[in-house]
Amino acid sequence: SQELEQSPQSLIVQEGKNLTINCTSSKTLYGLYWYKQKYGEGLIFLMMLQKGGEEKSHEKITAKLDEKKQQSSLHITASQPSHAGIYLCGADGSGAGSYQLTFGKGTKLSVIP
Amino acid sequence: GAGVSQTPSNKVTEKGKYVELRCDPISGHTALYWYRQSLGQGPEFLIYFQGTGAADDSGLPNDRFFAVRPEGSVSTLKIQRTERGDSAVYLCASSLRGRELDTQYFGPGTRLTVL
Repeated sequence: SQELEQSPQSLIVQEGKNLTINCTSSKTLYGLYWYKQKYGEGLIFLMMLQKGGEEKSHEKITAKLDEKKQQSSLHITASQPSHAGIYLCGADGSGAGSYQLTFGKGTKLSVIP
Repeated sequence: GAGVSQTPSNKVTEKGKYVELRCDPISGHTALYWYRQSLGQGPEFLIYFQGTGAADDSGLPNDRFFAVRPEGSVSTLKIQRTERGDSAVYLCASSLRGRELDTQYFGPGTRLTVL
């Protein structure tokens, strides 16, 4: 079965600073999703990456998938308090014939004003 | 438009009781998924519906858990003889077609506490 490891587990940054969260897969990724979760709320879809070397951006958040499709990074530029929350990466199981997502344990981000 | 909705938002029950959790997917989405999230963990897959049928129920932990989607829209997750270990946030998601690389959109979850 596929496993996703996220690092760091938690992160505290000063407002305005840049930060990077990593997601490493035990197997080649067929599709990789990034979600954000706030306490007591569901998961908010951020981006999906499929192709090796692919990079997508939305506002101040950029996600990349490496060429070998086993690692993804999420980079936030000039962080704001609104970026605080738990970031989860999820692997699409379609490549193995399943449509379920397998998630990492999440990275908890705190942004200090 | 409206997103995925789940009711109740919180449910407290006693060990041994029966509970039902409801999910209302995004209108027009044919695929529906249930996940369970324990504290400090990522969501774990339970079951996936394509239309009215359960296409993959490999994540259901045991036969106390059952889910239905009789008309291909609203789904109900049913848990019999609840145990303290069932306490978690139960998340529902829906996607347009339920095919490969189809984005899943999540609801706010139901927090279940078994005393």
